[in-house]
Amino acid sequence: EIVLTQSPGTLSLSPGERATLSCRASQSVSSSYLAWYQQKPGQAPRLLIYGASSRATGIPDRFSGSGSGTDFTLTISRLEPEDFAVYYCQQYGRGVTFGPGTKVDIK
Amino acid sequence: EVQLVESGGGLVKPGGSLRLSCAASGFTFSSYSMNWVRQAPGKGLEWVSSISSSSSYIYYADSVKGRFTISRDNAKNSLYLQMNSLRAEDTAVYYCARGVTTSDYWGQGTLVTVSS
Repeated sequence: EIVLTQSPGTLSLSPGERATLSCRASQSVSSSYLAWYQQKPGQAPRLLIYGASSRATGIPDRFSGSGSGTDFTLTISRLEPEDFAVYYCQQYGRGVTFGPGTKVDIK
Repeated sequence: EVQLVESGGGLVKPGGSLRLSCAASGFTFSSYSMNWVRQAPGKGLEWVSSISSSSSYIYYADSVKGRFTISRDNAKNSLYLQMNSLRAEDTAVYYCARGVTTSDYWGQGTLVTVSS
C-alpha cells in the first residue's frame, strides 16, 4: 500500500497570502493518478486537481498542482475567505489511498 | 446535473448488518466505476471499496475485506454496500463517489453508527 504524508498538518494564514501544501508518497505515484480535494465542515469532498496538475471543472485558477514521483504540491496563490478548509491528496495505483489532510485556517 | 444520493445509514449494534444504497442520476451510470469512501467523526477520508462499470473488477480496503460487499445495478442506476459483522470502528459517514482514479462527484454521505 502506498502511504501518503501531508505537511504541514495545519497552515495558519491570512486572506490574500499564498498557501503551499505538500503531499509525499512512500513509493512513486503516477502523476496521472494524483488528485487533490477540498473539504469544508459538514460537506462532501470537492475535487480540485486531477492528474497532479489539471484543474477540475469550475475550479479557480488560483489553485494549482505540481509534482511528480513521490513529491506533489498544491498551491493556492492568494487565499480567499472560502478557501479555508481541509485539503486531501489521493493516489490511485496499488489501491486507493488518501493523505491525512492539511487544514488551512485563518491566522 | 450529476447527483449521488446515499441512503441506508443508521444505528446498528456491533456484529449487525446494514445495506447502503447510492442513487445516481444526471449521467450514464453504467459507464463509470464507483467508489465508497468513509470518514470517521473528526477524522480523514478512508477508501472502502471500488467497483468497475460492469462489476468485473471489485476491490476492498483490508479493513473491510471479508465483511463488506460492493455491488451495483446499472438498470436501476444504483450502487450498494452490504456491511456485515459491523464494528465500532466502522462508525463513519459513508460517501459514494463517481470514478476511482479520480472522484469528480460525491454524494452528501450517510452516517453509520455502530454502538451497543
